[in-house]
Amino acid sequence: NAGVTQTPKFRILKIGQSMTLQCAQDMNHNYMYWYRQDPGMGLKLIYYSVGAGITDKGEVPNGYNVSRSTTEDFPLRLELAAPSQTSVYFCATSRRAQNTEAFFGQGTRLTVV
Amino acid sequence: AQSVTQPDIHITVSEGASLELRCNYSYGATPYLFWYVQSPGQGLQLLLKYFSGDTLVQGIKGFEAEFKRSQSSFNLRKPSVHWSDAAEYFCAVGVHDTGNQFYFGTGTSLTVIP
Repeated sequence: NAGVTQTPKFRILKIGQSMTLQCAQDMNHNYMYWYRQDPGMGLKLIYYSVGAGITDKGEVPNGYNVSRSTTEDFPLRLELAAPSQTSVYFCATSRRAQNTEAFFGQGTRLTVV
Repeated sequence: AQSVTQPDIHITVSEGASLELRCNYSYGATPYLFWYVQSPGQGLQLLLKYFSGDTLVQGIKGFEAEFKRSQSSFNLRKPSVHWSDAAEYFCAVGVHDTGNQFYFGTGTSLTVIP
């Protein structure tokens, strides 16, 4: 099993460009998350989804959009990229249960110039 | 509101020495607690977790952590550090709310010197 797969691994965007970060999981987990990681700030939740067709905002959703049309995929869309969106983005999943951990992808390092 | 505090931004230890990384949390109910490790350029890997029961939990790579409810702490320990333990360590609280929310500390960077 691949687990949680993120693509691309690295990307450089120009200010104002758009892109989609892909996240796919083969763990059959209901819950999926997008986090961003900035130096000294830990991980901040951008958006999450409890199942196909259901998404909700996290702590830092501005400038991002998500969709969840299938259990397996949870893409993160950046519209009009800004330098403040330079970060490392992590997709994660968890089971629909109380006592469960989050499983992480390898991350996408995004630079906006 | 839930929060996780890791008071040590950076720690340096000698190889073979013992290690303790501190974590304090703020949460009204019984927390689910986790320690993750992140090597450079990698994702987060689960070291250990606490849900209930024995307050001393064992994890991978020889790590252990102790839950102390009275101190709202979940400190990570290792008796003898190896050079390969150099990484970033994150403490997290899991909240069974809409979608199992996970709240992370800001991380502690560990350097191991020969």
